[in-house]
Amino acid sequence: DGGITQSPKYLFRKEGQNVTLSCEQNLNHDAMYWYRQDPGQGLRLIYYSQIVNDFQKGDIAEGYSVSREKKESFPLTVTSAQKNPTAFYLCASKPPGLMRAGELFFGEGSRLTVL
Amino acid sequence: GENVEQHPSTLSVQEGDSAVIKCTYSDSASNYFPWYKQELGKRPQLIIDIRSNVGEKKDQRIAVTLNKTAKHFSLHITETQPEDSAVYFCAASMGFQKLVFGTGTRLLVSP
Repeated sequence: DGGITQSPKYLFRKEGQNVTLSCEQNLNHDAMYWYRQDPGQGLRLIYYSQIVNDFQKGDIAEGYSVSREKKESFPLTVTSAQKNPTAFYLCASKPPGLMRAGELFFGEGSRLTVL
Repeated sequence: GENVEQHPSTLSVQEGDSAVIKCTYSDSASNYFPWYKQELGKRPQLIIDIRSNVGEKKDQRIAVTLNKTAKHFSLHITETQPEDSAVYFCAASMGFQKLVFGTGTRLLVSP
């Protein structure tokens, strides 16, 4: 079950504050993803990165930012511009090659609550 | 862009019964359809997937069917067990880079 580590597991912040969620993987995967999970809405893609120093917006990127300076790390910053940031955030990575080309490996998630 | 609808949102069955979860997708270019299982408090994990060049795939008690013409695919679980209780997500993508997920189905298997 190891390989992708998200921290912190729980996070509280006040309105108007930026917060950064950490995601680290030691699986040597090139592609990494950030999803947001809300009750009744499934998993929605925020940002993804297929290679170091490159990333693309997903379906709900507004109010979020990312960086990919290292292959192992893909941190997500939830900015004060995100109108409804309280949610469960999941980071994932994907192995290269064709045998398991579509399989996402998820971290355990970070639950952010805005007070 | 792609849109995936999933039904039902909740499903309750008795142990030993079969369970079926259905998804529809909007983009006819989508060619990869995985299913993920998320147990309570745990991370989602891939349980089965299907590509558009096949119509059905089985793995022990679970199977997935795909109808490209109608743009829908289904997950079938036979002989359900209490440990099958979880939230199940379908997804679709063109290629493997960007999965679009359904809204999830909470399956409850009662002993």
